[in-house]
Amino acid sequence: NAGVTQTPKFRILKIGQSMTLQCAQDMNHNYMYWYRQDPGMGLKLIYYSVGAGITDKGEVPNGYNVSRSTTEDFPLRLELAAPSQTSVYFCASRGDRRGETQYFGPGTRLLVL
Amino acid sequence: GNSVTQMEGPVTLSEEAFLTINCTYTATGYPSLFWYVQYPGEGLQLLLKATKADDKGSNKGFEATYRKETTSFHLEKGSVQVSDSAVYFCALAGNKLTFGGGTRVLVKP
Repeated sequence: NAGVTQTPKFRILKIGQSMTLQCAQDMNHNYMYWYRQDPGMGLKLIYYSVGAGITDKGEVPNGYNVSRSTTEDFPLRLELAAPSQTSVYFCASRGDRRGETQYFGPGTRLLVL
Repeated sequence: GNSVTQMEGPVTLSEEAFLTINCTYTATGYPSLFWYVQYPGEGLQLLLKATKADDKGSNKGFEATYRKETTSFHLEKGSVQVSDSAVYFCALAGNKLTFGGGTRVLVKP
C-alpha cells in the first residue's frame, strides 16, 4: 500500500493563479480530509468528505473547493491564489470504524507570491 | 463542541531527561484519543492512541493513559533522545479530528 499520496510536493503560484492539489489513497477509506498548516502553527481543517459524492466545510473553507467523485481521490482546488494561502497542505484519510487512525500524506508546500 | 488543550512549547530537554506533555480535552461521550508526531519537514504520523477509559497507548518508549476522571491524555517518555525532537499533537476523534495546538520538543545532546 502506498497509503496517502499528494502531488505536487512544492509549488510556487502567482497571485490570482489557480491550481489543484491532488490527494489519493489506496486503503479504501471513506473519510478524507484537507488541512492547512501555517508556519509554527497547528492544523486547520479546510474540507472533509465522508464518502464519494459527499463533502463538507471545515474551519477555513474560504478560497478553496473540493470534489469527491471516487473513493480514492480528493482534490483540493484553489481558484484565485492569495498570499494568505501560503501554507503546507496535508491530506488525510481514515476508515469507518470508531477510533480509526487518520493517515496523513507527506504534504504539499505552497508559496503564493 | 470538542476541544483539546495541550501545553505550549517549546520544551527544551537534555538527552535522557524525562518528558511530559500535558493534554486535556472537552468532549461529549467517550472519544478516542491520539498523539501524533511531526518530525521536521514531514507530515504527521500516529505515535499512539487509546480508544476507551483507562487504556494505555504506547509506542517507541512513549506512553499515554486515557483518564476519563481528569479528561486527560498526557504523553510521557522516560528517557528522550535527540531523535525525539519534533512537534507533538494531541487529538480527539469524532467525525473529524480535533487537534491541540502542538508542542515543539527540542532534545539537546
